Amino acid sequence: QSALTQPASVSGSPGQSITISCTGTSSDVGGYNYVSWYQQHPGKAPKLMIYDVTNRPSGVSNRFSGSKSGNTATLTISGLQAEDEADYYCSSYTSTSTPVVFGGGTKLTVL
Amino acid sequence: EVQLLESGGGLVQPGGSLRLSCVASGFTFSNYVMSWIRQAPGKGLEWVSAVSGSGVGTFYADSVKGRFTISRDNSKNTLYLQMHSLRAEDTALYYCAKDRGTILPADCDFWGRGTLVTVSS
Repeated sequence: QSALTQPASVSGSPGQSITISCTGTSSDVGGYNYVSWYQQHPGKAPKLMIYDVTNRPSGVSNRFSGSKSGNTATLTISGLQAEDEADYYCSSYTSTSTPVVFGGGTKLTVL
Repeated sequence: EVQLLESGGGLVQPGGSLRLSCVASGFTFSNYVMSWIRQAPGKGLEWVSAVSGSGVGTFYADSVKGRFTISRDNSKNTLYLQMHSLRAEDTALYYCAKDRGTILPADCDFWGRGTLVTVSS
């Protein structure tokens, strides 16, 4: 069982917006602004999409945005495109004995 | 261009040992935390271990603590993961990744392609 909870799947049509939630505790998501989001296409390495809750690395589309409220972080993808179909993982720094934890992953399907 | 090239994976029997390596290029290696993250076949990502830029600080997941040792040779731009007492549940693709920070692991902005470790008799 993953330390962070994500929905197993979400879907949306091209042009729509979707959100993916990532729920933790006050020891991880709620306690630090070190939440990240990764995109992984089949057979490929993960790609950092969001870091420090809201920041986008250079080269990542501004259609991707992050936010946090309490113990839940959220990834929003606007203007959905076919190429966004992938698995998405959140991660957070934690104060527990394992310093970084991932969510179980969410499969995004573009209809 | 940042490049991370892992090697050392393979088939090993339960209880056996293996050492993974990751050669880095395209950035000042000693300035960044380096991490190992694994992915079992068909499963999600699992953070395994990290080492600070200087090599002094090391961090482990509870699942590997006492069995795995992370280290780095900044003169060779190389990251290592020594794995002992391997179990079937350690079977996974092991990714080498560069963190954005210098001291504590948090997030990884560059990843290698991974090296596959299979633990089976």
